Amino acid sequence: EPEVTQTPSHQVTQMGQEVILHCVPISNHLYFYWYRQILGQKVEFLVSFYNNEISEKSEIFDDQFSVERPDGSNFTLKIRSTKLEDSAMYFCASKEAGSSNTGELFFGEGSRLTVL
Amino acid sequence: QKEVEQNSGPLSVPEGAIASLNCTYSDRGSQSFFWYRQYSGKSPELIMSIYSNGDKEDGRFTAQLNKASQYVSLLIRDSQPSDSATYLCAVSGGSYIPTFGRGTSLIVHP
Repeated sequence: EPEVTQTPSHQVTQMGQEVILHCVPISNHLYFYWYRQILGQKVEFLVSFYNNEISEKSEIFDDQFSVERPDGSNFTLKIRSTKLEDSAMYFCASKEAGSSNTGELFFGEGSRLTVL
Repeated sequence: QKEVEQNSGPLSVPEGAIASLNCTYSDRGSQSFFWYRQYSGKSPELIMSIYSNGDKEDGRFTAQLNKASQYVSLLIRDSQPSDSATYLCAVSGGSYIPTFGRGTSLIVHP
């Protein structure tokens, strides 16, 4: 069964360092998302991406965050200068082309980011 | 601010019983409603989606939607210990981007 894959599964970094999280969405999906979940808290929307541009972003997605689709398969989330409060599980999700008017997202297993 | 509210639980039910999970939402313009299951340390997994008022059944799961009351529920029949997880309610509107509730922890004990 097709799945969203994310790497790394766990990354430990020092405060102030740059981090790039990688995602390979399901191949026929056209809508891509990043969510995060701080331990014990709710899953929060960060950004959505369609047609090679950001379609929507939340207040959390400030200037230290960026997303890219560098090639036909990868979708990355970059955090430029990590802070302690960026420690969370980051989930990539995708949605298929024909479901523009629904929200049936399929999530990857997540990348756990620990900022020391 | 769009809010999705769930009782955090835990909801504890015996094996074989019906588990009833509830969710309310604040945005009257919401159009799509989802239940995800999340095991500890894992990613959300879509269980059910519902778009119109009434009931929708899929195996042991039934989703119920009442837009007038801004209320969504999930019933799990014949609950099994493997159903023990956190159940996330998610709601989306015109942007079709789901907003998640905090989730309800379900414990099914043998």
